[in-house]
Amino acid sequence: AQSVSQHNHHVILSEAASLELGCNYSYGGTVNLFWYVQYPGQHLQLLLKYFSGDPLVKGIKGFEAEFIKSKFSFNLRKPSVQWSDTAEYFCAVNYNFNKFYFGSGTKLNVKP
Amino acid sequence: GAGVSQSPRYKVAKRGQDVALRCDPISGHVSLFWYQQALGQGPEFLTYFQNEAQLDKSGLPSDRFFAERPEGSVSTLKIQRTQQEDSAVYLCASSRGGVTTDTQYFGPGTRLTVL
Repeated sequence: AQSVSQHNHHVILSEAASLELGCNYSYGGTVNLFWYVQYPGQHLQLLLKYFSGDPLVKGIKGFEAEFIKSKFSFNLRKPSVQWSDTAEYFCAVNYNFNKFYFGSGTKLNVKP
Repeated sequence: GAGVSQSPRYKVAKRGQDVALRCDPISGHVSLFWYQQALGQGPEFLTYFQNEAQLDKSGLPSDRFFAERPEGSVSTLKIQRTQQEDSAVYLCASSRGGVTTDTQYFGPGTRLTVL
C-alpha cells in the first residue's frame, strides 16, 4: 500500500528558529503533493501544493516546500517561525485521480 | 460565502446504533470527499463524489458505511450497526472542480464516539 511518512510527530521550537518538517512518500510515479495545516480550534487548510514546474513552491505565511523526486520527499520549511505557527501540519500525496493519502501529522509548538 | 459545514459536531452512539453525518459543501463545489481521522492519525480517504456521482468508494471500511449526495450538494455519511472501532473524527471536504490539484476546503468534522 502507498504511504506517506512524516518523521517528526512533535517538534518544539523557540520563536525565530528555522523549521524543517520531513515528508516522504512511497509512490514512484507522477504525484501531486500538498501540505495542510490545522491551527488550534480551526479546520484543516491548505498551506501549499506542488503538481508541476519549479520544485520549490511557496505557500502562505512564509512557508515553502521543496519536491525532490529522487528522494521521494517534499519537506516543509520556514526560515523563522512565530508563535502563531503553533499548529499540526499534515503532508498529503495524490497520485490516483481523486485519492489523497495523508501522513500522520507533526505537531509544532513554538515557544514565545 | 460560508465554508464547509458539518453536523452534528459531536455524536455519541451506543454500539449497534445507526448514525448519519451531514456535510454541507461550499455552494457550487463539484467535488466532495469524506475522510476518517482516528486519534493521532492523519485523515484517511473514504469516498469521493463528483456532483451526485460517487466515483470512488474504495476507502469505505465495510458495507456498514454508506454515503450519498443525491442532488450534488449536501452529502450524508451513514454508518450502520456502529462498532467501537468506528470512533473517529469524520471530515468532509469540497473543491470547486473535478481536478485533483484544486484546493480542498475542509469542514470542522464530526467527532463520533461509540460506546
